Parts: sequence; structure tokens; C-alpha cells
Amino acid sequence: KAGVTQTPRYLIKTRGQQVTLSCSPISGHRSVSWYQQTPGQGLQFLFEYFSETQRNKGNFPGRFSGRQFSNSRSEMNVSTLELGDSALYLCASSTSVGGPHNEQFFGPGTRLTVL
Amino acid sequence: DQQVKQNSPSLSVQEGRISILNCDYTNSMFDYFLWYKKYPAEGPTFLISISSIKDKNEDGRFTVFLNKSAKHLSLHIVPSQPGDSAVYFCAASRMDSNYQLIWGAGTKLIIKP
Repeated sequence: KAGVTQTPRYLIKTRGQQVTLSCSPISGHRSVSWYQQTPGQGLQFLFEYFSETQRNKGNFPGRFSGRQFSNSRSEMNVSTLELGDSALYLCASSTSVGGPHNEQFFGPGTRLTVL
Repeated sequence: DQQVKQNSPSLSVQEGRISILNCDYTNSMFDYFLWYKKYPAEGPTFLISISSIKDKNEDGRFTVFLNKSAKHLSLHIVPSQPGDSAVYFCAASRMDSNYQLIWGAGTKLIIKP
């Protein structure tokens, strides 16, 4: 079974631009979560989608948005990029939401650099 | 406000010895705790978890201990192997937050041959 894939793996943008990152979950997984990881910080939760609906949202500004398609693939978009948005963006998929034993499977991440 | 803290950014341990990674939390409402391992250029992978109703969970070389009164958990790896060199993340969740994971900053474990 193929794992979680994220594209692109690396991205360089300049301040003010916008970016779209893509995530394809493991086949059969309907939940997709997005995280931001910066040096010295843990994974910061962005949002979680299940069956095309946003189920949870973290404390990020409205510049960060996402969506999920009917095939469970997900995209996240960051508009008006700032230098502080430079980070590793991780996507994780799971079979469902809301359970303690709901193991999340992570993709390798997209490394975004904002110049 | 960091609710989950891993105060050691890195830890170096001799191969064959015990590795102990620590994690502290501030929110007594957390009822489930997890450890993930992350290699460079890969996403984190689930390692072991523990419910707040337990104080120990063991899986092969990995044991997690939970001390609720101290709001502290630790991951023990015995014996440590070179392949254990990775960044280890502690995470916690609560039922009333839909088990959304709150993550620590990670500890980089280096196993010396």
C-alpha cells in the first residue's frame, strides 16, 4: 500500500506570493491533517479534514486555508506569504477522526522557503 | 503557551545502554499520550502510546512511563541501537478536543557506536 505523498517536496517563494501544497493520503484513509514544523517548535496543528469537511482548526491566521476533495486528496494554501511561513509542512492521514487510537501516517513533508 | 514540553533538544547515548527521553505537560485534561519517531527527510512515524488510566506500556525495546501527579512521561529504549538515532516527539490529546494532537518540540537522540 502506497504511503502518504506530498508534492512538491521543496518550494521557494518570495514574500507576498501565495502557495498551494498537495497531499494524497493512503488509499482508504478519509482523514487528512496538516501541520507546520519549524526549528525548535513541535508540530503545530493547522487543520483536519474528513470527508471534505473541516473538522478541526488550529490557531493560524486566515491566510492559511485548506480543502479536501472527494477522493480524499487535500490541498493547503497560504496566501500573502511571510518570512515566518518558512517551515516544513507535514500532512498526515488516518482512517477516521476523533479517536485516541487513531494512528496518523505522515508524508515526508514539503519544505517551504520564503525569501 | 507550550502545553507539551520536551526540555532536552538532544541526547547522546552509547549503543547498548538505556535511552531515556522525557516529556512534561501542563494540562491535566490530557488523557492520551503518544511518542513518534522522525528520521531526516521522512515524516514522523508512530512508536508507542499510553492512556492516562495506565502508568506503563511496553512494546519490545520501548517502554513509556506516565506519572500523572508530576505531569511527566518518559520513553525508555533498552538496549539502544544505532537505528534509534532520530528525533523523538511526544504528543498528547484530549477527548474533549477531538483528540487533536498537541506536540512537543522533539528531542534528537544520537546513539554512539
